[in-house]
Amino acid sequence: GDSVTQMEGPVTLSEEAFLTINCTYTATGYPSLFWYVQYPGEGLQLLLKATKADDKGSNKGFEATYRKETTSFHLEKGSVQVSDSAVYFCALMVGGTSYGKLTFGQGTILTVHP
Amino acid sequence: EAGVAQSPRYKIIEKRQSVAFWCNPISGHATLYWYQQILGQGPKLLIQFQNNGVVDDSQLPKDRFSAERLKGVDSTLKIQPAKLEDSAVYLCASSPSGTANTEAFFGQGTRLTVV
Repeated sequence: GDSVTQMEGPVTLSEEAFLTINCTYTATGYPSLFWYVQYPGEGLQLLLKATKADDKGSNKGFEATYRKETTSFHLEKGSVQVSDSAVYFCALMVGGTSYGKLTFGQGTILTVHP
Repeated sequence: EAGVAQSPRYKIIEKRQSVAFWCNPISGHATLYWYQQILGQGPKLLIQFQNNGVVDDSQLPKDRFSAERLKGVDSTLKIQPAKLEDSAVYLCASSPSGTANTEAFFGQGTRLTVV
């Protein structure tokens, strides 16, 4: 079945450090890929997405590129801020009869210190 | 635009009791999802509605969980009787059409603790 694997966490960084959170997937067909973020006390929010191979999603300084050859969708940010502290979830969605069902990874906790 | 509303935010019950959660999706969204998020894990789909019809309930423990979406708008998720392993955050989400490229919008969730 479809699955998403994220790098083990938690991740702790100093402000302005470079961030990478690894994500790989297994899916039948050609999924759309997503990163969702959950800030403390809030619901899940879509951070960025990519719908086909080699697409790059970007938002709020975060980027991720859909790599079909390595089945990966790693999240990166060049300079993190304290306000980026949150839980990040990689997810995939396969179309067809699944009607938009999201399959999530286990989440990665990011803590950024001043 | 109002987001997805869920209530209650928190609930503590004893095992074998029953509990119900309520969700009001974004106005006009045809697709509604219920996810279960156990601590330390990603959300897992329990059930998906398209309007008031069930599209996918393959992961719903039907011996104890039930859900309905009357008139294709609000939805309730019920657990009866609850077990300790049902302790989790229950997330409701909605999307305009439920196709592969459509964003799902999530509510803040209901945190259930079964003691």
